[in-house]
This record gives sequence, structure tokens and C-alpha cells, in this order.
Amino acid sequence: GAGVSQSPSNKVTEKGKDVELRCDPISGHTALYWYRQSLGQGLEFLIYFQGNSAPDKSGLPSDRFSAERTGGSVSTLTIQRTQQEDSAVYLCASSLKTGRGYTFGSGTRLTVV
Amino acid sequence: RKEVEQDPGPFNVPEGATVAFNCTYSNSASQSFFWYRQDCRKEPKLLMSVYSSGNEDGRFTAQLNRASQYISLLIRDSKLSDSATYLCVVGRTDSWGKLQFGAGTQVVVTP
Repeated sequence: GAGVSQSPSNKVTEKGKDVELRCDPISGHTALYWYRQSLGQGLEFLIYFQGNSAPDKSGLPSDRFSAERTGGSVSTLTIQRTQQEDSAVYLCASSLKTGRGYTFGSGTRLTVV
Repeated sequence: RKEVEQDPGPFNVPEGATVAFNCTYSNSASQSFFWYRQDCRKEPKLLMSVYSSGNEDGRFTAQLNRASQYISLLIRDSKLSDSATYLCVVGRTDSWGKLQFGAGTQVVVTP
């Protein structure tokens, strides 16, 4: 696609429920990144994909968080048993080559109530 | 210590004035440098890459000082539309392209 597409744009969920966030990167971009940004805070790295593999998952906050990427394209970030501290904007970015600047999607604003 | 540090501001700038601010990075292995701009409740957008010799893009000038490990951004002839948070971003060749983001410097341009 023309840009990085994320869905849903907003998600309100009850504490304890599971959520799935989707990212569709720019066509041909092999590198895909997930970050999150809490209100008034900087960007926190979560996970990186090169193709379908995830060489670096070091930023995932707990084992409730997981992500996958299929076909070298769409990625899904899953949060199980959501907690209020998971509330944040989850941003996906893609890059044609590592070391280049990213293009971000508009994010998913997750609110856990 | 954070890998990328920025003065959070805000920098209040009269329209038409010049504003400049820096960020420092801690890892000497850093090889790629960028400035991103983030508007309120929006995603970050790439403003410009920063090259070793310094570079200019219209009213924006970026400089890199490897010896002192800082990057600067200068905005000339500030416009109201320049009001945003400017994120300093640093990447290392030994970390596959993962970029470290500063927390941002807020710039407010006033009429």
C-alpha cells in the first residue's frame, strides 16, 4: 500500500481481555517494527521483524505480549489478559532497509478499562 | 542514562524567529541520525536525515558532532505550523536498524 496501515485506530477493552492489533506495512518493506507510546512519553521499542522472523523481541514487556508476521507483510501484535498499564498508542513502522528512517502508521490507541 | 537525551522544552519562539536545539547520544557506535516531527496525537514523521557534513532542507538545518556526540536542529523563519515535538533519533549498525528515539523537544511558535 501507499503507507503503513494500522487497525483498529482505537480500541477500548476490558481488563483481562485479549486484543489483536494489526499492521500492514508499505509494500516491499522487509523491516517492520512495533513501538508503543504512553501519554506524554517517548517511544518504547517492542519488537522488530526482518521478513517473517523476529531477531529482536527484547522490548516486549511481558509474556502476555506476542507478535507474528506472515508472508513478509502483515503483522499482528497480540496482548493477552490486558492490564490498565497496557493503555498506550501502539505504533507500527516499516523500512525498506535497516538503517534507514522508518515510516510510521497512524497507530492504534488502546485503552484498557 | 538514556541512550538519546533531549531538552523537553517547551521552546517558545516568536513567528519569524530562529530556534535551535540539540540532543546528545551515548553510544559511540551510532551511525545513523534523524530528526522526526510529531504533532499532538499523531504519529512521528521523518523530517530529515542528518549527515556527517551537516545538511539543510529549506528552513531546517541539521548538524552532527561525532566527537561530542550531539546532533542539532535549527529552524529559521519559524512558522506557526512548525509547532510540534521534534524527536532526535539514532541508530546503530550493530543493532540491525533499530532506532532509539529521544523523548522529544517541544517547540511552540507564537504569533
